[in-house]
Amino acid sequence: DAKTTQPTSMDCAEGRAANLPCNHSTISGNEYVYWYRQIHSQGPQYIIHGLKNNETNEMASLIITEDRKSSTLILPHATLRDTAVYYCIVRLPGGGADGLTFGKGTHLIIQP
Amino acid sequence: EAGVAQSPRYKIIEKRQSVAFWCNPISGHATLYWYQQILGQGPKLLIQFQNNGVVDDSQLPKDRFSAERLKGVDSTLKIQPAKLEDSAVYLCASSLGKGLTQYFGPGTRLLVL
Repeated sequence: DAKTTQPTSMDCAEGRAANLPCNHSTISGNEYVYWYRQIHSQGPQYIIHGLKNNETNEMASLIITEDRKSSTLILPHATLRDTAVYYCIVRLPGGGADGLTFGKGTHLIIQP
Repeated sequence: EAGVAQSPRYKIIEKRQSVAFWCNPISGHATLYWYQQILGQGPKLLIQFQNNGVVDDSQLPKDRFSAERLKGVDSTLKIQPAKLEDSAVYLCASSLGKGLTQYFGPGTRLLVL
């Protein structure tokens, strides 16, 4: 079973910041938080990942709470092309079997 | 840099027939994964390869599914015989190594009638 909890769906107006929450209250100290998204009829696309510190790249920002029990993915200026299912995943670094465990994700709909 | 390539993109077969999917990972990626995504659900791992060896196939239905990566590059996933419940998107992903970021291909959409 997935180790994360996400809202089923969210709406956001185009041009506004989209803030997607994720709860991972049972995360262990060396597990990373990964975010992927899946646009309709495409494969999942990597967005960002982090361990403890906040991270930012050209696509998004990741804010992880100090206790690491939750995080928020921020798309700073959402466009219609950001409409997708967003998956929050926790995983261990390195090691042996490391397939990703996907939950149902959050269906983000960007409204014009 | 080219991404993960998969073919075919779509396949329709009748139950009890056989089908094969092909994946070419990103150049230099040692780890390759096959996932199954049923409509309305997130992807589920079927098998993981490290070079040409199997790391994890615990969720692969081995009575009908098989996969190989003989030369440690391309991989094929086969279903024989197919069942109606095998209708899904089959996704291939690759990474430079275990524990590193996985990059996905576009998937093969299978419909079993």
